[in-house]
Amino acid sequence: QVQLVQSGPEVKKPGSSVKVSCKASGDTFSRYSIHWVRQDPGQGLEWLGRTIPILGESNYALKFQGRVSIFADTSTSTVSMGLSSLRSEDTAVYFCVTSYGSGVSPFDYWGQGTPVTVSS
Amino acid sequence: EIVLTQSPGTLSLSPGERATLSCRASQSISSTYLAWYQQKPGQAPRLLVYGASSRATGIPDRFSGSGSGTDFTLTISRLEPEDFAVYYCQQYFSSHTFGQGTKLEIK
Repeated sequence: QVQLVQSGPEVKKPGSSVKVSCKASGDTFSRYSIHWVRQDPGQGLEWLGRTIPILGESNYALKFQGRVSIFADTSTSTVSMGLSSLRSEDTAVYFCVTSYGSGVSPFDYWGQGTPVTVSS
Repeated sequence: EIVLTQSPGTLSLSPGERATLSCRASQSISSTYLAWYQQKPGQAPRLLVYGASSRATGIPDRFSGSGSGTDFTLTISRLEPEDFAVYYCQQYFSSHTFGQGTKLEIK
């Protein structure tokens, strides 16, 4: 059973950056890709990008390229997602999510979510 | 980007009734890459169906998925009280996009 435990809520000013972490249990890193998905207050779900820890590769949604970075630290089984140049529209709950393998698979395990609020 | 449109936005039914939720894609996608999720208030989404028709581990058989091309359906054969939630479809054929959700509420 995969468990994903995320860092706590964040409140940020417009223009600043945020970093959210996600610690995975067991041998998750050797078998899964780790994605980041956000859910805005209107409840829409949006994919930001993913990392494949065993390959050390990451790829990002076109909309967020240049603003998002996803990094896996295999020594601590932790994935971090950084988002820069924050604006009010980035206010959302951010989830880390797994998909099996390094190919294309559905999202099978979800973290508990990290609320990020962007407000002046 | 592939846009997914779900209908209806809200579905009001009673326990024991049958629910039919629709998801339409802006372009044809392989059924291999269509999933359905359930989300309850304050919780993360949960995977119900993948590959358009395969139930995820532990999902009751009252949930079934079908469809191909641009039209997909999630059916709940006999609604239980715990099934009232928001349902999302997702395509992972070309990047990842989600529908806007269908809220299934108690009538």
